[in-house]
Order: sequence, then structure tokens, then C-alpha cells
Amino acid sequence: DTGVSQNPRHKITKRGQNVTFRCDPISEHNRLYWYRQTLGQGPEFLTYFQNEAQLEKSRLLSDRFSAERPKGSFSTLEIQRTEQGDSAMYLCASSRRGGSGANVLTFGAGSRLTVL
Amino acid sequence: GQQVMQIPQYQHVQEGEDFTTYCNSSTTLSNIQWYKQRPGGHPVFLIQLVKSGEVKKQKRLTFQFGEAKKNSSLHITATQTTDVGTYFCAGPRDDKIIFGKGTRLHILP
Repeated sequence: DTGVSQNPRHKITKRGQNVTFRCDPISEHNRLYWYRQTLGQGPEFLTYFQNEAQLEKSRLLSDRFSAERPKGSFSTLEIQRTEQGDSAMYLCASSRRGGSGANVLTFGAGSRLTVL
Repeated sequence: GQQVMQIPQYQHVQEGEDFTTYCNSSTTLSNIQWYKQRPGGHPVFLIQLVKSGEVKKQKRLTFQFGEAKKNSSLHITATQTTDVGTYFCAGPRDDKIIFGKGTRLHILP
């Protein structure tokens, strides 16, 4: 169990560029979540997967955001045509659906995005 | 939709003093979780409460779930510098985990 891995850890981009973040969850976890966190705020839910199925996407998420988990393992979060308001820490978390520790989130270290 | 609210937003205490943060939900929760985020770090799970009126302790930390399962508290006895960070409560909404805005604890030496 190597924990939840996210990369890149930091990304600086110019407004209008596309960025992609990757998350590798704990292998036994079938649920994967993406959150966004800005300074002084709690993690804000973006979307989550159970295996490869994307079960919910926040209404706060614009069409510029897309997430995939093609084989039910790692996930990617892509932001197209970035805006300065997208600057934030993007956190990935994984959990088990059932059994011991169900729905307890294990977070990765996050990917910090700065849009210039 | 369900919201999870925390107070206070910030708390400064002298080292050795006690600290309490409160969490309130607009709806009844099936369970509540608490996480700690150190400065520059990511949220780390502390505990989950499930039963009405449940009280759990972890060393100097005492967690309580209200009888109506709509509120919770975290109390730290005799704070230490290692307690610095932001404490979040989180509750389930459907299959998602929704976080409060957190209480940032600062320890004065």
C-alpha cells in the first residue's frame, strides 16, 4: 500500500492552456474522488468514480473540466482553457465502498495549479 | 442541499490550553468524520462517529456526535504545538463526503 499518488505536484500555466492531473489511488480502493481546495476553505467536491463509472459531477464544475478513470485504476482530471479562477489545490482521494473503513477518504498530497 | 458548518473559523490558544471546534449539519447524518490538515499538507482522517450520542477518545482528543446526529464536536485537552493545523468535519451526502470549511488552530508558545 503506497498511498494515493498525485502528479504533477505543482503546475504553473498561462491562462488559456490545458492542464492534466493524474491520480493513482490505493489499489484495493474502488472509489476515487476529486476535490478542489482554495486557501482557507475546505475541500470542495468535484466528482467521483466507482470503479470506472463516473457517478456524479458537481454542478459547480464547468464544461472545461473533465475526469476519466478508464480502467478503474488511475484517474485523470483535465482542465481546458484554464482561467485564473482555476488556481487551487486539486486533491484526489480514494476509499473502499464497503467493509472496514468504508467511505473513509485517503487523500493524496495534491496538485497545486497556478494560472498566470 | 446538505451543508456542514463549522465554528469557529480560527482559534488561537496558548500552548497547554484546551480547544474545541463545533460542527453542525442542516440535515441528519448517518455518520460524521473528522480530518486534520497540517499547514502545507493534505487532509488526514482522524475518526468516524456513527451512533447517536457517541463519544470517542484518541489520547487528548475527544470526539462527540450529537443525540440528533446533526452536530459534532472535537475537543483537544492541553494543546501542544503538534496540534497546529486545520480540523475539518465531513458528512456523507448520497455517496459523496462533504466537508466543512474547517477550524484553523494556531498555538501560541
